[in-house]
Amino acid sequence: NAGVTQTPKFRILKIGQSMTLQCAQDMNHNYMYWYRQDPGMGLKLIYYSVGAGITDKGEVPNGYNVSRSTTEDFPLRLELAAPSQTSVYFCASSYLGEDTEAFFGQGTRLTVV
Amino acid sequence: TQLLEQSPQFLSIQEGENLTVYCNSSSVFSSLQWYRQEPGEGPVLLVTVVTGGEVKKLKRLTFQFGDARKDSSLHITAAQPGDTGLYLCAGALGGSEKLVFGKGTKLTVNP
Repeated sequence: NAGVTQTPKFRILKIGQSMTLQCAQDMNHNYMYWYRQDPGMGLKLIYYSVGAGITDKGEVPNGYNVSRSTTEDFPLRLELAAPSQTSVYFCASSYLGEDTEAFFGQGTRLTVV
Repeated sequence: TQLLEQSPQFLSIQEGENLTVYCNSSSVFSSLQWYRQEPGEGPVLLVTVVTGGEVKKLKRLTFQFGDARKDSSLHITAAQPGDTGLYLCAGALGGSEKLVFGKGTKLTVNP
C-alpha cells in the first residue's frame, strides 16, 4: 500500500510563477487535507475536503486553490507564488475525520525566490 | 489565534528522565490526537483520546484527556534518545471536519 503520495518532494519557484502540488491516496479515504508547516509553527490547515466535489477553506487559504474531482486525488494550486509561501506542505487523508487517524505524505519542500 | 496551545515549545532532557507535555484549549473537543513527527517525515499518529478523563498507555507513554475535554497531556517515563521528535496534538471541534494542530513540542533526549 502506497498510502499518501505527494509530488514533487522539492521545488524552487520564482516569485509570480505557478505550480500544482500533487497528492494521491489509495486507501479510499473520504477526508483529505492540505497543511503547511513553517519552522516553529506546527501545522496550519490550508484547505480540506470531505469527499469528491466538496472542498472548504482552512485557517490559511489565501494564495491557494484546491479541487477534488476524485476520491483519490487532492491537488493544491499556487497561482502567483510569493516568498511567504516558502514552507513544507503536507497532504493527509483520513477515513471518517476527527476521530480517526490522519495519514500523512512525506511532504513537499517549496522555496519561493 | 492558536486553537490548541502546546507547552513547552522546546524540551531538552537527559536519557532516563521523565517529562510531561501539555495541550490546552478554551474549546471543547470531541477527541484529541497525539502525533510524533521526525525530521523530513510527516506526522504519525500515536494515540486518540475520546472520553473525558480517559487515560491511555503506550509502553512508556501515558496520554490523558481532561475531564472537560479541553486539554490533554503526554507523559513519557524514562525517556530514551529514540523518543526525540516533534510531538503534536490535534483535534477537531465537535461537528467540524477541520483537523487542526498545535505548534508542537520539540523534544530532544540526550544520551
